[in-house]
Formats: sequence, structure tokens, C-alpha cells
Amino acid sequence: EPEVTQTPSHQVTQMGQEVILRCVPISNHLYFYWYRQILGQKVEFLVSFYNNEISEKSEIFDDQFSVERPDGSNFTLKIRSTKLEDSAMYFCASGTLRQGGSPLHFGNGTRLTVT
Amino acid sequence: DAKTTQPNSMESNEEEPVHLPCNHSTISGTDYIHWYRQLPSQGPEYVIHGLTSNVNNRMASLAIAEDRKSSTLILHRATLRDAAVYYCILIISGSRLTFGEGTQLTVNP
Repeated sequence: EPEVTQTPSHQVTQMGQEVILRCVPISNHLYFYWYRQILGQKVEFLVSFYNNEISEKSEIFDDQFSVERPDGSNFTLKIRSTKLEDSAMYFCASGTLRQGGSPLHFGNGTRLTVT
Repeated sequence: DAKTTQPNSMESNEEEPVHLPCNHSTISGTDYIHWYRQLPSQGPEYVIHGLTSNVNNRMASLAIAEDRKSSTLILHRATLRDAAVYYCILIISGSRLTFGEGTQLTVNP
């Protein structure tokens, strides 16, 4: 069964550094998402992406964050200048339909640790 | 977003059925009901979804009340690998999933 893959599985960075988290969504999916989960807290929506542009973003997704689909397969999340509070699990997800009638498929996440 | 209410935790014994309830009294006519689960150290995993009719798949069954104000996820024979947090989510705009606290399911051997 096809799956969403994320790399790296664990990223350690220093405060103020830029990080890029990478995702390969399922190949025929059209909608792409980033979520994050701070340790012990709920899974939170960050951003959705369709047709090469952001379709929706949360208040968490400020100017320090950006997303890109640089080629036909990868979907990346960039954090320009990391803060301690960016430490979390970041999950990529993809889906086929925007409306509620189809599931999202999640990757197993990248654990980002900012020191 | 319409809210869902789930018990914080439930316990089951291995190989017994599990019924996980969810209340969503403010659901609107076009909201889909989705269930996801999250195993320790993994990303959320899709379980099942439905709109009005009961649904079955290889993982579980979803029973939706006639008035759609509640639903129940049914695991027919719980295994130790089913121990996870189960989330009942209503899809409103279709663009995002809003995760609540979910139900922590413990399966006893």
C-alpha cells in the first residue's frame, strides 16, 4: 500500500537556524498538509497546499514558515529561524479530495528538537 | 467548527469487541464523520469515515445514529496493536482536520 514518507525522522538544530523538513506524498494525491504535535499535546493543523499554492493556514503558520513543492514528488516545510517552541513532531499528510469524503494519509513524522 | 465529545479513556480485553462512542450534537448535514487513531510514536492513521449510513472496512465498523448526533467506532476483536488514541473528527470545511483529545484505548492481554 502506498504511503507518505518523511525525512529525516529526527532533526536536531540550534535556535535561529533554518530547517527544511521533507515529505514525499502519495503519488496521485493532490492536497498536501503539514501538522505538528508538541510533546503531550494535540495534533495541530499548520497549512494545506493545493495546485501549487497555500489554500489554508493556521495562526501558527507565521512568516517564519513556508512550504514548497519543488518538483513533482516532494513537499517541504521550511522554518527560517527556529525557536525553542518549534520543537515538536511534524507530520505531513496527503489526500485526493478537498471535501470531507476521503481520508488523509499521514507520514510517521519528523521529530524536530531545537536547542 | 462543530465539536465532538469522546471519553478520555477506555479499556478492553484482547479479542473482545470495543465500542468507542462519539457525540457530535451540532453536526451539520454535510459534515463527514472521520475516525483516526494514533499509535505511540507514529502519525495519525485513518480508520474509517461516513456521512449517514453505517460503514464497514477491514479495520472497523462505523455506526452512525439516525439523527447523526452521535456515532460509534466498533473494533470487532481488539488486539494489543489496537492500543492507541482514537480521534473522532468532523470535516467541516474539508481542508483541515481538527484533532481533539481523543480516547486513549488500553487493551489488556
